[in-house]
Amino acid sequence: DIQLTQSPSFLSASVGDRVTITCRASQGISSYLAWFQQKPGKAPKLLIYGASTLQSGVPSRFSGSGSGTEFTLTISSLQPEDFATYYCQQLNDYPLTFGPGTKVDIK
Amino acid sequence: EVHLVESGGGLVQPGGSLRLSCAISGFTFSDHYMDWVRQAPGKGLEWVGRVRNKANSYTTEYAASVKGRFTISRDDSKNSLYLQINSLKAEDTAMYFCAAGFCSGGTCYVGVYWGQGTLLTVSS
Repeated sequence: DIQLTQSPSFLSASVGDRVTITCRASQGISSYLAWFQQKPGKAPKLLIYGASTLQSGVPSRFSGSGSGTEFTLTISSLQPEDFATYYCQQLNDYPLTFGPGTKVDIK
Repeated sequence: EVHLVESGGGLVQPGGSLRLSCAISGFTFSDHYMDWVRQAPGKGLEWVGRVRNKANSYTTEYAASVKGRFTISRDDSKNSLYLQINSLKAEDTAMYFCAAGFCSGGTCYVGVYWGQGTLLTVSS
């Protein structure tokens, strides 16, 4: 199985900060990576697929990059509604796997 | 408007069986791959499995942790997705989400649409 790690696991930031989350795969996954945002008690929301394609309706302050084994999710200017947990997911091979998550909290 | 509504969760004893359902409206269900994703209390997301669409023969994929105990099926005539769970274990306790996939650039992604989840608790 392809393992995903995320760093950091917890991040404390202020409104307006630039935030970067890293996702690393145990083997190359091309660009078959998605990013999700989840708020407490809610279903996940797809933010980015294909490592860098913004899902329709997602604000442009979110961006993704990377290929192979290293990927990043960047929030260019953190907004109050962005405090949440972020997960990466690989879709290169079955079983599909999620990263362990990165919680973004208010400083 | 898109709606995915899960049902069938509850308190079940270890060793028991249960079928979760997901009722879909607002998009062409039959076109989409469908996934189940679960989340144990206070934990991260775990992909459970997938059923492909008719064009791909309704074939299925499963996580290793559930293979042989879980069966995903769908009824396109009823716009419904199902998850049959047998030999329930305490570690199956989780919120179960259904999600509609989409295909792009050589693979099929999870979760362009999501339900709100149904909670399954396995305990004696």
